[in-house]
Amino acid sequence: DAGITQSPRHKVTETGTPVTLRCHQTENHRYMYWYRQDPGHGLRLIHYSYGVKDTDKGEVSDGYSVSRSKTEDFLLTLESATSSQTSVYFCATRFEGADTQYFGPGTRLTVL
Amino acid sequence: QKEVEQDPGPLSVPEGAIVSLNCTYSNSAFQYFMWYRQYSRKGPELLMYTYSSGNKEDGRFTAQVDKSSKYISLFIRDSQPSDSATYLCAMRGNDYKLSFGAGTTVTVRA
Repeated sequence: DAGITQSPRHKVTETGTPVTLRCHQTENHRYMYWYRQDPGHGLRLIHYSYGVKDTDKGEVSDGYSVSRSKTEDFLLTLESATSSQTSVYFCATRFEGADTQYFGPGTRLTVL
Repeated sequence: QKEVEQDPGPLSVPEGAIVSLNCTYSNSAFQYFMWYRQYSRKGPELLMYTYSSGNKEDGRFTAQVDKSSKYISLFIRDSQPSDSATYLCAMRGNDYKLSFGAGTTVTVRA
């Protein structure tokens, strides 16, 4: 997994509560990504970062925010979780100039 | 309509068979094409990478890209039970943002 960890690995929460997922990398990759994976949709980009404090939206960013205060950490926050955000969330990293994205093990989130 | 279409399967084949997977896409700006393999409860990992049209072979795996038809394929020869996984196609233009297919789940029966 190229030194990528995600925490927590599993979480069950209730509608309306805030949730923060953490991605930590040890590879010093500049680019980091958050995806969600749902049946029939594959992986969809939520947000990405191209450096410390530099982030941008992906195709399904509504209801999500991100922060990156250190190269190694990329946080995904659901401000007020909804049942439609039940999904498996993957973090990925990429070395600048390379195409390969390395994925973490995923976080399985259930919003009741 | 999705930018990338991939038949989700599932696909079940006997050991030793050839597995054929494919994706179609609509964005003519896509130039870089990838196949990721994802084992159950794991993150995806890059399997094959191809630039523009043509074929690329790596061991038992062959990736083909036909840009004129907007069609890419992955072939697995002499399939093994260890090839049982979900295979996702992915592609991008010049902006490094990947568009993924929905994934095809493959089971190779011993």
